[in-house]
Amino acid sequence: EAGVAQSPRYKIIEKRQSVAFWCNPISGHATLYWYQQILGQGPKLLIQFQNNGVVDDSQLPKDRFSAERLKGVDSTLKIQPAKLEDSAVYLCASSARLDQSTDTQYFGPGTRLTVL
Amino acid sequence: QQPVQSPQAVILREGEDAVINCSSSKALYSVHWYRQKHGEAPVFLMILLKGGEQKGHDKISASFNEKKQQSSLYLTASQLSYSGTYFCGTETGRGSTLGRLYFGRGTQLTVWP
Repeated sequence: EAGVAQSPRYKIIEKRQSVAFWCNPISGHATLYWYQQILGQGPKLLIQFQNNGVVDDSQLPKDRFSAERLKGVDSTLKIQPAKLEDSAVYLCASSARLDQSTDTQYFGPGTRLTVL
Repeated sequence: QQPVQSPQAVILREGEDAVINCSSSKALYSVHWYRQKHGEAPVFLMILLKGGEQKGHDKISASFNEKKQQSSLYLTASQLSYSGTYFCGTETGRGSTLGRLYFGRGTQLTVWP
């Protein structure tokens, strides 16, 4: 079974530029998560989708970050404009969760973003 | 709501044991353990649900004490492949926080031959 796919793996941009990350979850997984992992810290949830609806985006800096999950499958996370403090690894995870139960989240390899 | 992990770092020789702790100030519904090697994705190890159950596979096991809001990960007879950063992710409730995991800062484990 294929895992969570992400692209690009690395991205270097200058501050105030925009950037987009793509995620393809495990086939059939209803729930998709985007996390930000700053060096030396644990992942921090940015947004959670169930199918193509947003479940939780309370930690997403909405003035510069946006995310969508069209057709309940692939997802895109965008930053516009980027700031120096956005330098981090952006991890996508998915789970089969369909109901009010705990489920395993499987992570993709991440996109390492460097903002200069 | 971020859980606190201890210790921050552990250095072991092959064959030695280690314990990593994760504690929360909030009542916990579940605890998820992951291992992440440098430059790679976090890899799922196990989930523990409230009820004080203990789980394990191979030489890695974990316990969950819901009264103390704590979980511990036990690595016995450590192998070189155990090296990495271990994260606990805690789930504190249902409803609007369903599925949200709060991750600790991680415990860096290094196993030497």
